Amino acid sequence: DQQVKQNSPSLSVQEGRISILNCDYTNSMFDYFLWYKKYPAEGPTFLISISSIKDKNEDGRFTVFLNKSAKHLSLHIVPSQPGDSAVYFCAAKTQGGSEKLVFGKGTKLTVNP
Amino acid sequence: DTEVTQTPKHLVMGMTNKKSLKCEQHMGHRAMYWYKQKAKKPPELMFVYSYEKLSINESVPSRFSPECPNSSLLNLHLHALQPEDSALYLCASSQGWAGNEQFFGPGTRLTVL
Repeated sequence: DQQVKQNSPSLSVQEGRISILNCDYTNSMFDYFLWYKKYPAEGPTFLISISSIKDKNEDGRFTVFLNKSAKHLSLHIVPSQPGDSAVYFCAAKTQGGSEKLVFGKGTKLTVNP
Repeated sequence: DTEVTQTPKHLVMGMTNKKSLKCEQHMGHRAMYWYKQKAKKPPELMFVYSYEKLSINESVPSRFSPECPNSSLLNLHLHALQPEDSALYLCASSQGWAGNEQFFGPGTRLTVL
């Protein structure tokens, strides 16, 4: 039973345009969400997070939007750069409870020059 | 120091060998994690140590044995592994109950022959 779903295995965008990566979750107990970026043969790098008390969090070119009623979040990257090409993982957890992060399967983003 | 370090970077071992993976962080984090990641899959949680005590064991086979000698160090002892255990082993740390973001090390690429 996959509690965090990233339904697009891959996404290709042009440099300078917006990249939108989507994530859906099924467990209504999740109240903290994170995005990680991963290059091949490296560990995931934390990008940005959002608590369920917010619907938007912004950090430079990265913005995460949370729609609790739809159990959906998205990561927007504007403008996209070739260095953003990586696999992006969405993850979720319950604050104050288990330390366990539940990951989606990832979306491979390719930004073309 | 905002890093999680892991050694070795690569490890090749036979099914009868005993080896250990090491992880270190100096961020004052009180929770540390071992994950296993196979190619094109998300990280899978193996163990969580919180305040140097094992708090989560995700039904991992006993051929994997974690150890947390102190709050900065985490080891994973390996014995009698199978070829299917070949994967990227990732260590992560977080502030524990007060922190939600997990910070990952670069991983150890393990090959079991």
